[in-house]
Amino acid sequence: DGGITQSPKYLFRKEGQNVTLSCEQNLNHDAMYWYRQDPGQGLRLIYYSQIVNDFQKGDIAEGYSVSREKKESFPLTVTSAQKNPTAFYLCASSMGLQETQYFGPGTRLLVL
Amino acid sequence: AQSVTQLGSHVSVSEGALVLLRCNYSSSVPPYLFWYVQYPNQGLQLLLKYTTGATLVKGINGFEAEFKKSETSFHLTKPSAHMSDAAEYCCAVSDRSNYQLIWGAGTKLIIKP
Repeated sequence: DGGITQSPKYLFRKEGQNVTLSCEQNLNHDAMYWYRQDPGQGLRLIYYSQIVNDFQKGDIAEGYSVSREKKESFPLTVTSAQKNPTAFYLCASSMGLQETQYFGPGTRLLVL
Repeated sequence: AQSVTQLGSHVSVSEGALVLLRCNYSSSVPPYLFWYVQYPNQGLQLLLKYTTGATLVKGINGFEAEFKKSETSFHLTKPSAHMSDAAEYCCAVSDRSNYQLIWGAGTKLIIKP
């Protein structure tokens, strides 16, 4: 059964701590994306990757980092430099950058 | 820069009534257009999309949308609302020369019994 999985569903971060959100897909998609969703705002692009070992900054990359060592995986690290990390984080993938994006179930990050 | 406007952060309709969710975009060149639905604490699911061809697009769950170039609009409709339609609906556009999706702020659809 193909799809996109994100874990954990909820994540708590302490001050000064880095946390990593997992995103895995078995759709054989080349492109993957990370978005941030805040109440009353549209989704905002954090990072995207067109192919393995390559990724590009989106509109709000500051305080975040990613890696793309495998086609199936695109983890997002929220660093201590991100001063307002509380949000709902969505991972997506597509066959190519111009193709329809499919989304995972999301991870909600909360700050303790 | 491209922008997307969804009129009304909340729309309330009675069960069985017409659903109309509005989406306008700013591009002078017809973009690709998308509607996604999001249930609470879940990811987004594609409802329908317009790329080329027929301007009336049919999607899942009885929804449809019409691309109107002259009005730069892509409004979402459903003839008869069902309680299960209660969700957040997000409109997005993609420039034909650019990968990036630009998203509206979303409209929460509330269904009254």
